[in-house]
Amino acid sequence: NAGVTQTPKFRVLKTGQSMTLLCAQDMNHEYMYWYRQDPGMGLRLIHYSVGEGTTAKGEVPDGYNVSRLKKQNFLLGLESAAPSQTSVYFCATSGGARTGELFFGEGSRLTVL
Amino acid sequence: EDQVTQSPEALRLQEGESSSLNCSYTVSGLRGLFWYRQDPGKGPEFLFTLYSAGEEKEKERLKATLTKKESFLHITAPKPEDSATYLCAVPPFSSGSARQLTFGSGTQLTVLP
Repeated sequence: NAGVTQTPKFRVLKTGQSMTLLCAQDMNHEYMYWYRQDPGMGLRLIHYSVGEGTTAKGEVPDGYNVSRLKKQNFLLGLESAAPSQTSVYFCATSGGARTGELFFGEGSRLTVL
Repeated sequence: EDQVTQSPEALRLQEGESSSLNCSYTVSGLRGLFWYRQDPGKGPEFLFTLYSAGEEKEKERLKATLTKKESFLHITAPKPEDSATYLCAVPPFSSGSARQLTFGSGTQLTVLP
């Protein structure tokens, strides 16, 4: 039982390149989230999804797009990467009535040069 | 604007030296406060949920308490394996979903043997 799996774990991009981060979950959770974590700023919500086929903006959505074509997958895309998007990205899921109990992946470290 | 502030930013303790971490919040109409533990290179791991002032939760050497304006994470006789960053989070009052958490920037705890 893998829980929440993120790929890739590490990636280096040049400014202007594009990439997609994949989050896969086997917990059958409805809610999925993408956060970024930067030193001294805590975790900030980028986008989230409340179910298959739905997406919504979080606190810092600019420069990112997401898709939830299948319940178990949540994709985060960067169309034209910028150095300000250098960060550690975490995917999380939640389900059931236990609001606030999120299950996180191990993170994807992205560096944009 | 809803805010979550954690203090101190970093705390170094000797093994067995008890202490407390603080999480203060400005969210009106609190709908829960959540504590997470994050080990280096890993995603956060859920610890506790607190819903009302006066509520307490315990897990091994950790006890979380909640007042109307802040929460404390008390660590009794800590061991080196308690070393981690501890995060607190609250859902925003204005959000239609209680699952969009606002995280504090964390307290990095180091327990020395």
